Amino acid sequence: EAGVAQSPRYKIIEKRQSVAFWCNPISGHATLYWYQQILGQGPKLLIQFQNNGVVDDSQLPKDRFSAERLKGVDSTLKIQPAKLEDSAVYLCASSFRGQVPGELFFGEGSRLTVL
Amino acid sequence: SQQGEEDPQALSIQEGENATMNCSYKTSINNLQWYRQNSGRGLVHLILIRSNEREKHSGRLRVTLDTSKKSSSLLITASRAADTASYFCAPTRNSGNTPLVFGKGTRLSVIA
Repeated sequence: EAGVAQSPRYKIIEKRQSVAFWCNPISGHATLYWYQQILGQGPKLLIQFQNNGVVDDSQLPKDRFSAERLKGVDSTLKIQPAKLEDSAVYLCASSFRGQVPGELFFGEGSRLTVL
Repeated sequence: SQQGEEDPQALSIQEGENATMNCSYKTSINNLQWYRQNSGRGLVHLILIRSNEREKHSGRLRVTLDTSKKSSSLLITASRAADTASYFCAPTRNSGNTPLVFGKGTRLSVIA
């Protein structure tokens, strides 16, 4: 079974530029999450989707971050304009509702460096 | 949502020794999960223990849960260099798709 796919793995941009990350969850997983992980810290939830609807985006900085999940499968996370403090690893995770409650499957992450 | 606090923040042991890390949380839960994160990688689910369980084993992993003390421990026996990673606990109050909230984790270094 293929895992959660993310791209790009690495991205370096200047502040005020824009960037987009892509995630393809495990087939059949209805729930998709984006987490931000700053160096030395644990992952922080940015947004949770159930199919193509948003369940929780309370910690998403909506003035610069946006995310969508078209057709309830792939998802993109966009940052525009980027700030220095956005340097982090962006992790996508998915889960299959009804299976082991809450078990998440993570991708390898997209590491963003903002200069 | 729940958040666990892992302790210690960092742990360094020799290969072959046992490693114990702890997790504390503040409110009642339905289950608690442990995850491992190798450097530069995503998190990997290790084990889930339900609130009505006191102990669970998986290979060299042993997890305990004490709901009266609101704490859990993860024991890795006969550690290997490959166990070097960060370990996170994630207590969950509701079943289903409640998002997991992670603390800062325990950074384990196993020295060969």
